[in-house]
Amino acid sequence: QQQVKQSPQSLIVQKGGISIINCAYENTAFDYFPWYQQFPGKGPALLIAIRPDVSEKKEGRFTISFNKSAKQFSLHIMDSQPGDSATYFCAAEYGNKLVFGAGTILRVKS
Amino acid sequence: DSGVTQTPKHLITATGQRVTLRCSPRSGDLSVYWYQQSLDQGLQFLIQYYNGEERAKGNILERFSAQQFPDLHSELNLSSLELGDSALYFCASSAQGTRVFIDTGELFFGEGSRLTVL
Repeated sequence: QQQVKQSPQSLIVQKGGISIINCAYENTAFDYFPWYQQFPGKGPALLIAIRPDVSEKKEGRFTISFNKSAKQFSLHIMDSQPGDSATYFCAAEYGNKLVFGAGTILRVKS
Repeated sequence: DSGVTQTPKHLITATGQRVTLRCSPRSGDLSVYWYQQSLDQGLQFLIQYYNGEERAKGNILERFSAQQFPDLHSELNLSSLELGDSALYFCASSAQGTRVFIDTGELFFGEGSRLTVL
């Protein structure tokens, strides 16, 4: 099973609030979990990534939380800003393949 | 700018036709990946080439084919097009051919080719 399930499909957050996007997977062979950010008209770009031997990784306002036993990981965006409005994809590596979730459209209201 | 160039940016064609999408990877990158992005399917991995050879295959239809040339650019050929093939097609590149993400953690995506089949 190579699926990565992502939720919610869309999210509206007030400026300054916390945006939370969740992903779950089944295949325990996945061993690298990046998040990609995509602005309209652009290709996805790497935002932050984590390996399963780490439970949390923080880069600025962006934090990945990883729960290996539950096979879940999430992206938290602290102090969300209108400039964070984009589509966010979680992903997982399996062999040579990067499997993406369906994406979450985030809108931060000012 | 990711350094990955895709052409054309937009393409409108009819059912049953054939199109070719082109990708130039970042300078020095040996791997090229093709992804299909549709509204209901998200980003679907199609195929990967490394230094001219097919390295991994995903959900690529038999009507679709790809190749990577000696100068490392890649082409994705879509034939007998159907309405459902309408989507954004992304090319991405990376320096390595295997276990890319453990070491580099990143694919560099182009801006995509939007295909509309009428």
